[in-house]
Amino acid sequence: AQSVTQLGSHVSVSEGALVLLRCNYSSSVPPYLFWYVQYPNQGLQLLLKYTTGATLVKGINGFEAEFKKSETSFHLTKPSAHMSDAAEYFCAVRQNRDDKIIFGKGTRLHILP
Amino acid sequence: DTEVTQTPKHLVMGMTNKKSLKCEQHMGHRAMYWYKQKAKKPPELMFVYSYEKLSINESVPSRFSPECPNSSLLNLHLHALQPEDSALYLCASSQEVTANYQPQHFGDGTRLSIL
Repeated sequence: AQSVTQLGSHVSVSEGALVLLRCNYSSSVPPYLFWYVQYPNQGLQLLLKYTTGATLVKGINGFEAEFKKSETSFHLTKPSAHMSDAAEYFCAVRQNRDDKIIFGKGTRLHILP
Repeated sequence: DTEVTQTPKHLVMGMTNKKSLKCEQHMGHRAMYWYKQKAKKPPELMFVYSYEKLSINESVPSRFSPECPNSSLLNLHLHALQPEDSALYLCASSQEVTANYQPQHFGDGTRLSIL
């Protein structure tokens, strides 16, 4: 069965510092992986996705993630945090021949001035 | 602005009321979803529609009744809800249920409060 683990329910970084949000997945077959962001009082917005091909995926708002099969990880990074990045971030996995997205528990990103 | 539109944005109702949540998308997607999201939690899948037919019901109580009148619209009819049903209800759509590599696109949700 597939699952997603996000390490750290809360992460705080200073404005301008590196953002690193961790996500590990469990899947019996090569997965499709997604990162979503949720701002207060809004729905989920897709940041980026990994399907096949290049393992370094670039998304919106300067975010990127690297698929590492050997580590079963799909960590989200951004070189320089901005105050507007404060939000809840969800990692999600979708397995072949399965029609459900499995979400991680989410990581709240706090940006310190 | 999201491409999935949900109305109303906020809804307060009593336990004996009947109300409906509406969702609309014009991206030509043939899969539509209802999720329930409690505070500080990830979304929980409730229903999946594929080509206007209900394909998944995640054991949701019958006081929630989904409806898909056409490929662009998805409704969630509410009746005799309980206080624990207060949550953010999210609608999503994707190209097809079986297109696993395609992401789901979410609306901004309806914030539901049960008195």
